[in-house]
Amino acid sequence: EDQVTQSPEALRLQEGESSSLNCSYTVSGLRGLFWYRQDPGKGPEFLFTLYSAGEEKEKERLKATLTKKESFLHITAPKPEDSATYLCAVLDSGAGSYQLTFGKGTKLSVIP
Amino acid sequence: KAGVTQTPRYLIKTRGQQVTLSCSPISGHRSVSWYQQTPGQGLQFLFEYFSETQRNKGNFPGRFSGRQFSNSRSEMNVSTLELGDSALYLCASTITGGEQYFGPGTRLTVT
Repeated sequence: EDQVTQSPEALRLQEGESSSLNCSYTVSGLRGLFWYRQDPGKGPEFLFTLYSAGEEKEKERLKATLTKKESFLHITAPKPEDSATYLCAVLDSGAGSYQLTFGKGTKLSVIP
Repeated sequence: KAGVTQTPRYLIKTRGQQVTLSCSPISGHRSVSWYQQTPGQGLQFLFEYFSETQRNKGNFPGRFSGRQFSNSRSEMNVSTLELGDSALYLCASTITGGEQYFGPGTRLTVT
């Protein structure tokens, strides 16, 4: 059974204070690992897809990396508008569908 | 390009009633997945449809069902509503599974 664990559950940062969010996963075969951002009352917003260990992707202040067991979302010099819940999900290559397995998320608060 | 749309956005129902939610995927996307999101359980997979066929179903009771039409629009139905069915119901569409795009969700409250 696929499992995704995110840590920490919640993170408070001062504006400009860089940090990382962790996503550990167990999957029989990784087809893709996804990062999403979710604001309260809204649907998840797609950020990145990572396919293989060693891959990195960047978007503005966010950088996602992938190893064989975990992924990190690095946030550099965050701003208050980066406050949101960040979700990690995996797609199993053995699944006969596009079913995502999600972690429970990290709630990020960036204080001015 | 228009995103994933879901209707209605908010719904209040009484225990025992049934409800139908609708999802229109991004144009060209043939796969539609449905998820239930609650504070305690997070996002949980309900089912996925591809070209009108259900390819997979999550661990939910038979009260939860869905279908997909030839234009890729999808509906999900919950019969005999229970208080625990109160949640945000999300649908996502994709072409290849590599990038899945979510709609804004339908907030269902069961009283």
